[in-house]
Amino acid sequence: DAGITQSPRYKITETGRQVTLMCHQTWSHSYMFWYRQDLGHGLRLIYYSAAADITDKGEVPDGYVVSRSKTENFPLTLESATRSQTSVYFCAIEAGGGTDTQYFGPGTRLTVL
Amino acid sequence: AQSVSQHNHHVILSEAASLELGCNYSYGGTVNLFWYVQYPGQHLQLLLKYFSGDPLVKGIKGFEAEFIKSKFSFNLRKPSVQWSDTAEYFCAVNGRSSNTGKLIFGQGTTLQVKP
Repeated sequence: DAGITQSPRYKITETGRQVTLMCHQTWSHSYMFWYRQDLGHGLRLIYYSAAADITDKGEVPDGYVVSRSKTENFPLTLESATRSQTSVYFCAIEAGGGTDTQYFGPGTRLTVL
Repeated sequence: AQSVSQHNHHVILSEAASLELGCNYSYGGTVNLFWYVQYPGQHLQLLLKYFSGDPLVKGIKGFEAEFIKSKFSFNLRKPSVQWSDTAEYFCAVNGRSSNTGKLIFGQGTTLQVKP
């Protein structure tokens, strides 16, 4: 969806380095989500945010940190990247009260060497 | 535990064949159900969704799905597939009474349509 951008689209990094993936929405939807997509696992929720300054863990939060100081931005940080964090990361937004349709960004393909 | 199971991991069909992809869920309480599609190299797009009302829902590109509450199922169907339907399909569920928005996804089904 054109209203959700992710940067970078591709990233190669080394084990132990800190990496930040950015998600930006052009609207002001309350809910934002971070998922990782891995073969055989579908999409798994890492963290989500119901509003600025409100974040909570999803299914696989270990090794990740999020913040949301502004409604439109939801960065995801890998504090010390590991090879198991090689994945495709998708950001999503939701326009309703937390149970409506989620719309996904284009994804970031991260490779950790 | 809450979960979504997609029975078919990889489906290969010829053009004009009919498609049915299975999805079963385990979730306590009333649910909202979704099917998303991911074309090669692209992000997830919504195909259709069920919140309430008629259990047979129609989505984009000729897809439809039927919610059968007694079977905890939400199978996706299309009467005649096209080569352009080659993609990965994901079933997902969230709790209607939840305000967290947490979507639980199935593992996905890769559909390959041969011309």
